[in-house]
Amino acid sequence: AQKITQTQPGMFVQEKEAVTLDCTYDTSDQSYGLFWYKQPSSGEMIFLIYQGSYDEQNATEGRYSLNFQKARKSANLVISASQLGDSAMYFCAMREVTDTGGFKTIFGAGTRLFVKA
Amino acid sequence: SQTIHQWPATLVQPVGSPLSLECTVEGTSNPNLYWYRQAAGRGLQLLFYSVGIGQISSEVPQNLSASRPQDRQFILSSKKLLLSDSGFYLCAWSWRYSSYEQYFGPGTRLTVT
Repeated sequence: AQKITQTQPGMFVQEKEAVTLDCTYDTSDQSYGLFWYKQPSSGEMIFLIYQGSYDEQNATEGRYSLNFQKARKSANLVISASQLGDSAMYFCAMREVTDTGGFKTIFGAGTRLFVKA
Repeated sequence: SQTIHQWPATLVQPVGSPLSLECTVEGTSNPNLYWYRQAAGRGLQLLFYSVGIGQISSEVPQNLSASRPQDRQFILSSKKLLLSDSGFYLCAWSWRYSSYEQYFGPGTRLTVT
């Protein structure tokens, strides 16, 4: 069974500094997708970044980058130049193919990030 | 463009009462649809997913059920709510044949009293 592990329940970072949120995963599939979502206090889920298992380059989206280490099965999110608005819950997730040909996503427990002014 | 709607936004229901949460998607056809539940301070738990009308896969045995009467409509139901059903319920959709992102609705916050 697939599993996503986020070992940091909470993280603090100073405004304008970089922060790394850890994520490890477990799968026997060769083809899979890894995602990071942000959930502010409003509850909405905001897609941040995606990394495919066959992508050789680490994904980047603005201030977000994904440090993908396939052999170690880790997909850490790096946020550069933290802003106060980055304070939120962050979820790592993995997409797997279902028996019916669709896709479902397994989420980690999340890391709550606090950005200090 | 595509949009996803969920209602109601908040709901307070007594134990033992029925439940019906609705999710609709606009601007796309044949989407994959999903129901997730998030307990307070916890991650998302996949409850149901559907790849087509009438096709429902259940991930977690419980007193909840899901139905997809139309291509872009996904309904989460219960005949008798339990206290443990309290949580934040999120509906999501994805393209049928894409392994890329899911798009989430605004969620329904359910409190069972």
